Amino acid sequence: QQPVQSPQAVILREGEDAVINCSSSKALYSVHWYRQKHGEAPVFLMILLKGGEQKGHEKISASFNEKKQQSSLYLTASQLSYSGTYFCGTGVNTGNQFYFGTGTSLTVIP
Amino acid sequence: DTGVSQDPRHKITKRGQNVTFRCDPISEHNRLYWYRQTLGQGPEFLTYFQNEAQLEKSRLLSDRFSAERPKGSFSTLEIQRTEQGDSAMYLCASSLKQGANYGYTFGSGTRLTVV
Repeated sequence: QQPVQSPQAVILREGEDAVINCSSSKALYSVHWYRQKHGEAPVFLMILLKGGEQKGHEKISASFNEKKQQSSLYLTASQLSYSGTYFCGTGVNTGNQFYFGTGTSLTVIP
Repeated sequence: DTGVSQDPRHKITKRGQNVTFRCDPISEHNRLYWYRQTLGQGPEFLTYFQNEAQLEKSRLLSDRFSAERPKGSFSTLEIQRTEQGDSAMYLCASSLKQGANYGYTFGSGTRLTVV
């Protein structure tokens, strides 16, 4: 039931782009994306409720393919502040059940 | 409103002792959630409240764990007879409506170490 994220880890240079994928074995009602820095709480980035919807947050955007039960997070022109672990969260069964993904560690270096 | 507050930030306890954590959610949020997170893993759901009613508990929540939200405001999570496997970060989150459809606001967590 836990969604699987890929890649597990990625290292980028400042200014490079990255894509993080989240895949579920269950039909999805909603997808969230969170970023967690070491020793801190997860911070909500965005939520997608409709299939195919793409949302943006600064230079970070996400898509949600309902049919494929997948979501992708796009980080463009990465900044040092983007470093952290990214988690997707998936709501199934009209959102009554919710599961966090396996996490993707993102490191941006100068 | 200063967000979701958790206390204490860190707790070291000896195996077999009882511990209690407190969470103060965002005041207008009527839903409150407890999650547990171990190193390198995503948060795992433990339980959630709508106002003072505890509506769902995970199978992860053994009989040694109990949570309350007596007046629909702050919540406490108690672990009795702690075991080394209980060592983890305990996160509290709140949401205005169903969190899965609106997003969760997390507190900074309580890191529990059982020695």
